[in-house]
Amino acid sequence: NAGVTQTPKFQVLKTGQSMTLQCAQDMNHEYMSWYRQDPGMGLRLIHYSVGAGITDQGEVPNGYNVSRSTTEDFPLRLLSAAPSQTSVYFCASKPGAFSTEAFFGQGTRLTVV
Amino acid sequence: AQTVTQSQPEMSVQEAETVTLSCTYDTSESDYYLFWYKQPPSRQMILVIRQEAYKQQNATENRFSVNFQKAAKSFSLKISDSQLGDAAMYFCAYSTGNQFYFGTGTSLTVIP
Repeated sequence: NAGVTQTPKFQVLKTGQSMTLQCAQDMNHEYMSWYRQDPGMGLRLIHYSVGAGITDQGEVPNGYNVSRSTTEDFPLRLLSAAPSQTSVYFCASKPGAFSTEAFFGQGTRLTVV
Repeated sequence: AQTVTQSQPEMSVQEAETVTLSCTYDTSESDYYLFWYKQPPSRQMILVIRQEAYKQQNATENRFSVNFQKAAKSFSLKISDSQLGDAAMYFCAYSTGNQFYFGTGTSLTVIP
């Protein structure tokens, strides 16, 4: 039972490059979300989705795009990476928006130089 | 705006002793959920315990228990019989459904 899988685990980008962080879950969860974790700031919500075809912004959405074409996948796109996007990124899923427990992936450490 | 405050950036506890981590939150909602997550050096976020705001009884999970004071908007975590494996960063979190709000974390050291 894989749960929530994030790829890659580590990535270094140059300023201005684009990339996609992948997130997949095999639990048939409707709700998926992306967070970034910065030192001294806890986790902050970037974007979330309550089902295929439905996405919405969280607390810190600028510089990131998402889409949800399937229930299983919720990729996070950085169109033009900036050093301020250096962070650890977590994907999480749960059965529905009002389910209590979220399941987290193992995170992606992204460095933008 | 919803905020979660963890006022103890670092805590330490002797092995087998008890430690309490503090958390306060601010919300105008009446129905919400509170959580404590553990993050070891592996980075994995692990759910320790959760509390539904409508429940007056404090949640308990083995050695972990909470003291939920709804009127005071306080949600502390008590770890009893601390073990070396409890050493980690602990995050308090609040959720009304679509969004989670996390505190800044408390780093717990367990002294052998």
